[in-house]
Amino acid sequence: QSALTQPASVSGSPGQSIAISCTGTSSDIGAYNHVSWYQQHPGKAPKLMIYEVTNRPSGVSNRFSGSKSGNTASLTISGLQAEDEADYFCSSYTSRTTWVFGAGTKVTVL
Amino acid sequence: QVQLVESGGGVVQPGGSLTLSCAASGFTFRSFDMHWARQAPGKGLEWVAFIRHDGSDTDYGDSVKGRFTMSRDNGKSTVSLQMNSLRVEDTAVYYCVRDGTNYEFDFWGQGNLVIVSS
Repeated sequence: QSALTQPASVSGSPGQSIAISCTGTSSDIGAYNHVSWYQQHPGKAPKLMIYEVTNRPSGVSNRFSGSKSGNTASLTISGLQAEDEADYFCSSYTSRTTWVFGAGTKVTVL
Repeated sequence: QVQLVESGGGVVQPGGSLTLSCAASGFTFRSFDMHWARQAPGKGLEWVAFIRHDGSDTDYGDSVKGRFTMSRDNGKSTVSLQMNSLRVEDTAVYYCVRDGTNYEFDFWGQGNLVIVSS
């Protein structure tokens, strides 16, 4: 169960769009559409932002969107706002009843 | 509203045991699969354990397999994580998490800190 690969950090100015990649293998991201994304502010519990690659839970801003191609999933934040500054983690279901997370990406709003 | 409240964390010596509990409310607990996840200080998230809604199936991350046991009591709406043979590297905040039925983690507890240290 190797962790999914994410960039350590991504930054952007207010109003810009940024994308965070999440690379796995043909056994996890490439095999299933069960990719989800989580936002975590310092000292807080993670919050679900995207599930099943592209779906947003109720209450999550439509500035957050997800996609997938092959073994790589991506989270895009458009119209970047100061409140978006946080850590973001991807996750994928893998074979059997097991899951794997990415190492996390720190988003900085310049 | 959905609430998950963990308890039982603390400081334990290497090789020791500890049991974490999670009290759930605000939803039909017996209908949902549940998980434990953890986060070492300053590190990323790690999936730890899964239990099916009826307790019929469990699974574990490679780093805890054989040492940790997850269980549930649907009558009391609680899940537990029995942790044995604890190692320094098990030091982390442990989260109780609900499975949202699409293989995602849709609600998280506030977290409970476990420190393994001599």
